[in-house]
Amino acid sequence: KNEVEQSPQNLTAQEGEFITINCSYSVGISALHWLQQHPGGGIVSLFMLSSGKKKHGRLIATINIQEKHSSLHITASHPRDSAVYICAVKRGSQGNLIFGKGTKLSVKP
Amino acid sequence: DVKVTQSSRYLVKRTGEKVFLECVQDMDHENMFWYRQDPGLGLRLIYFSYDVKMKEKGDIPEGYSVSREKKERFSLILESASTNQTSMYLCASSLGLEAGNTIYFGEGSWLTVV
Repeated sequence: KNEVEQSPQNLTAQEGEFITINCSYSVGISALHWLQQHPGGGIVSLFMLSSGKKKHGRLIATINIQEKHSSLHITASHPRDSAVYICAVKRGSQGNLIFGKGTKLSVKP
Repeated sequence: DVKVTQSSRYLVKRTGEKVFLECVQDMDHENMFWYRQDPGLGLRLIYFSYDVKMKEKGDIPEGYSVSREKKERFSLILESASTNQTSMYLCASSLGLEAGNTIYFGEGSWLTVV
């Protein structure tokens, strides 16, 4: 079993829809990252959180440490949000990142 | 803005060739990383470095080596490229290993070994 599981693997939405991507992990962590990868390869860090909730524009990330679960929400989705979203956790204070396999999001106009 | 620059975006190399992938960051970060990304497997850590001339093996170091002679530059070396090393390679950097530090990625290098 992977230490970081994302669901769904693939997601197709209509423009304007509210989107949720989930991440569950099985190890103790010190931080969780949400990353965005556009076609072509480059990865951008969206959020880093260790508790509670963070918001940036139309993106919201939440984490529940007790349940070992995080969600990434996109409100009023747009075709430019189409990308692969990757969850990564940092195990312990000095550990390296462990990555989920990503969720491929396609937003249709 | 932090910039992580990978020197080559697309490379095609022959089996047995020595391949160098170069990565440079401009924010004086201590840590630098090399990952490979394959369909269905996600990102896997090859090597990382937390200081000049220091290196640590990641999850899949076999067939690779690295060099960090200067703080800003981290090179990945394939001593004798093989077809199973065809992949997308990503370099990343961050300040110390503490939990609160954001990681920054390069644009990726697509390597095909024929």
